[in-house]
Amino acid sequence: GENVEQHPSTLSVQEGDSAVIKCTYSDSASNYFPWYKQELGKRPQLIIDIRSNVGEKKDQRIAVTLNKTAKHFSLHITETQPEDSAVYFCAASTGGYQKVTFGIGTKLQVIP
Amino acid sequence: DVKVTQSSRYLVKRTGEKVFLECVQDMDHENMFWYRQDPGLGLRLIYFSYDVKMKEKGDIPEGYSVSREKKERFSLILESASTNQTSMYLCASSGQGSNEKLFFGSGTQLSVL
Repeated sequence: GENVEQHPSTLSVQEGDSAVIKCTYSDSASNYFPWYKQELGKRPQLIIDIRSNVGEKKDQRIAVTLNKTAKHFSLHITETQPEDSAVYFCAASTGGYQKVTFGIGTKLQVIP
Repeated sequence: DVKVTQSSRYLVKRTGEKVFLECVQDMDHENMFWYRQDPGLGLRLIYFSYDVKMKEKGDIPEGYSVSREKKERFSLILESASTNQTSMYLCASSGQGSNEKLFFGSGTQLSVL
């Protein structure tokens, strides 16, 4: 089955700096790569996603890049703010019945 | 807005008890999922269902079973609870086709003593 590796497990940045979280996947059939943000005590929520026919996608301060050849995808957050502090999960899916496999999560702390 | 409701926020059970975790969604979603969340292990898929009465094993189905008798309801069953099943359980649902966004419930923190 699919295996998603995510790093780093924890990340601290100064407010205003950029943060990058990296993931790799094992199944070349995976074609959908979402990112979820989970604030403390809350449920995970989708923040951005990318499909395998696209190399990069941006939404305001967040962007995701995908390298299908290397089976890498990354989340980039620019101009970080304290409200960006949360656990971020990358995931991969092969579509179909949409079984989604998650990475272990990255705890991001933005220091004011 | 999609609502995924889990019946209990906190649950304490004894070893060997049969435990039912209930999940209801109100958006007529075809797909429903049960994950468990443990520190350092992320979200691991236990079971999922893509239709009424249909179920598929996820990555860690041992010790669990599920039931989906109605489209809106997906139940997770621990036949004989054990201490290593102490965890946060998250239910999620999603629609069909390109509508793959997962909507999560608020979770049930289960403690097995």
